[in-house]
Amino acid sequence: AQSVTQPDIHITVSEGASLELRCNYSYGATPYLFWYVQSPGQGLQLLLKYFSGDTLVQGIKGFEAEFKRSQSSFNLRKPSVHWSDAAEYFCAVALPSNDYKLSFGAGTTVTVRA
Amino acid sequence: GAVVSQHPSWVICKSGTSVKIECRSLDFQATTMFWYRQFPKQSLMLMATSNEGSKATYEQGVEKDKFLINHASLTLSTLTVTSAHPEDSSFYICSATRLGSPYNEQFFGPGTRLTVL
Repeated sequence: AQSVTQPDIHITVSEGASLELRCNYSYGATPYLFWYVQSPGQGLQLLLKYFSGDTLVQGIKGFEAEFKRSQSSFNLRKPSVHWSDAAEYFCAVALPSNDYKLSFGAGTTVTVRA
Repeated sequence: GAVVSQHPSWVICKSGTSVKIECRSLDFQATTMFWYRQFPKQSLMLMATSNEGSKATYEQGVEKDKFLINHASLTLSTLTVTSAHPEDSSFYICSATRLGSPYNEQFFGPGTRLTVL
């Protein structure tokens, strides 16, 4: 079955430490890949996206993600987190064959401790 | 550019009443608009896809008579929750794709919190 999996429901990280959020997908073809961030009670903000080309993608707020075809993964990373990075993070995929409709992972809650 | 707004940002209504939520693309023409709902601590679930001037396409399990969608112009789509009940309480988010944008990239609104008493 086609799916997007975010294995980690909740991650706690110290301010200044590195962060990595995992995302795996299960689709026949390589989908378009996205990472969104949602602060409490807010809409979604696009952090970065991958369509093709360089597999290491740079995004906003110091985030980057690496597409690994062999692992069907698109993990999000940040070298040094700030307290303002505490939020919900969603990985999403879109397929041309499905009119580019977005399918979201379950999300990962990131808590930043001082 | 590519700003999407929603109105209202939150609404409280009595059970049995209808509530209308607006989604506007402020600085671009939206070929397609999407409506999602999000329960607390959960992911976004696509409810329907709407194109200007045509009927919305609903996802499986979404009651089209309960969630009326109108997409009257290239910048406005509305979602009306009819005869709302407490179980309809949720966070509703819209998104829009920009005319001419590659890969139909979606731009999201800030969401509307609906509470049905």
